Amino acid sequence: KQEVTQIPAALSVPEGENLVLNCSFTDSAIYNLQWFRQDPGKGLTSLLLIQSSQREQTSGRLNASLDKSSGRSTLYIAASQPGDSATYLCAFTDSWGKLQFGAGTQVVVTP
Amino acid sequence: DTEVTQTPKHLVMGMTNKKSLKCEQHMGHRAMYWYKQKAKKPPELMFVYSYEKLSINESVPSRFSPECPNSSLLNLHLHALQPEDSALYLCASSQDATSVYNEQFFGPGTRLTVL
Repeated sequence: KQEVTQIPAALSVPEGENLVLNCSFTDSAIYNLQWFRQDPGKGLTSLLLIQSSQREQTSGRLNASLDKSSGRSTLYIAASQPGDSATYLCAFTDSWGKLQFGAGTQVVVTP
Repeated sequence: DTEVTQTPKHLVMGMTNKKSLKCEQHMGHRAMYWYKQKAKKPPELMFVYSYEKLSINESVPSRFSPECPNSSLLNLHLHALQPEDSALYLCASSQDATSVYNEQFFGPGTRLTVL
């Protein structure tokens, strides 16, 4: 079974600093990679989706990269704001079409 | 409309109650999903419906009974739940469940508490 690891588990940064969130996986046979944001007690908001044939996707201050050979994806959030405080989850689509989630990185951006 | 809606937002029920969770999407998606999420854990897949037929049941206890009345609606019927079933229940949808490249869109969830 695909193992998905997110490091660090928690991160606190001052406002304005760039955020770097890491996601690693054990099986290179991945299809989609999705990054989600989850606020406490709320649902998941899809931030970016990278297909396995792509290397990166960008949306505003967010950039996600995918390196299948090293089994890694990275989410960059530029110029962080207090509103970016949330838990960020990465998930891979496996050959069954199921999402395999990491445990998440809890981010706090202090004013 | 890229929204998945879920009702109710919160539900408190006793162990002998029968209740239902509802999920709706109007994106023309033909796959719908139920997930369960405990505090500080990632979501766990429970059921997948593809073209209104149950395609995946992740060995979920029979006290959870899914139903897909049409392509836009997904219900989760609850009966004789246990306190450990208290969790956030998330619904999601995607274009279809037969492609591994589909993006899943999630609803806001129903916070369930079983007393």
